[in-house]
Amino acid sequence: AQKVTQAQTEISVVEKEDVTLDCVYETRDTTYYLFWYKQPPSGELVFLIRRNSFDEQNEISGRYSWNFQKSTSSFNFTITASQVVDSAVYFCALSEAGTASKLTFGTGTRLQVTL
Amino acid sequence: EPEVTQTPSHQVTQMGQEVILRCVPISNHLYFYWYRQILGQKVEFLVSFYNNEISEKSEIFDDQFSVERPDGSNFTLKIRSTKLEDSAMYFCASRRDGAYEQYFGPGTRLTVT
Repeated sequence: AQKVTQAQTEISVVEKEDVTLDCVYETRDTTYYLFWYKQPPSGELVFLIRRNSFDEQNEISGRYSWNFQKSTSSFNFTITASQVVDSAVYFCALSEAGTASKLTFGTGTRLQVTL
Repeated sequence: EPEVTQTPSHQVTQMGQEVILRCVPISNHLYFYWYRQILGQKVEFLVSFYNNEISEKSEIFDDQFSVERPDGSNFTLKIRSTKLEDSAMYFCASRRDGAYEQYFGPGTRLTVT
C-alpha cells in the first residue's frame, strides 16, 4: 500500500526566509509519480509539480525547487525568499502507475509567512 | 486556460436526504476522480472513473455513493442518504491520457445537518 508522510504540521517563517517542506513516501511499485499541491486559504487545490520515479533530477521553477531522492524516499519542496502569498497548506501526493492512478495525499503542511 | 468546474459551491442538506454534486471536467481529459476533505484533514480518494465505468473505489465509497457521466461533459457524485459524517469538501479532478497530474475543481462544501 502507498503512504505519504508530511511530518511538519505547521511552519511559520518571516518573509524572505527560505523554507523546506518535507515529504517521505512509501510504495512497492517501481514506477510511480510524486506531486506537490498548494491549497491557499480560498480552498482550491493547485497543482505545482510532478516528478516521475525514473527521473531523479531536481527541478527549479522561480523561487520553488524540489529535491527528489529515491535512496531516502523523499521529495522535499523548498521555497526561497518566501512571500506572504506563499501562505497555504501544501500537500505532497503519490500515484502508482496504472489505469486508476489515484492520488494518495499526505496530511499537509501549513505554511504561514508573516511580514 | 481550461478548468474543472463544480456546482454547487456549497450545499446544505438534512440527514437522510439525497444529494448530487456536479462536475464538468476539462474537455479533453479521459480520467475522472472524486476526493473528499473533511475540515482540516487530508484529501482522501473516493473513486476513479474511466471509459464509463469505475476503475477503483476506496472503502469510503460504499453503497450510498454512486457516480455517473450522464452526458459528454458532466460527471456527478450522488450520495443516496446523507449522514452527518458526510459533511466535507468534495473535490472533482480530471487528467488527460498519458499524463498523471490531476487538475482539481474548486470543490463543493457539503454540510449535513
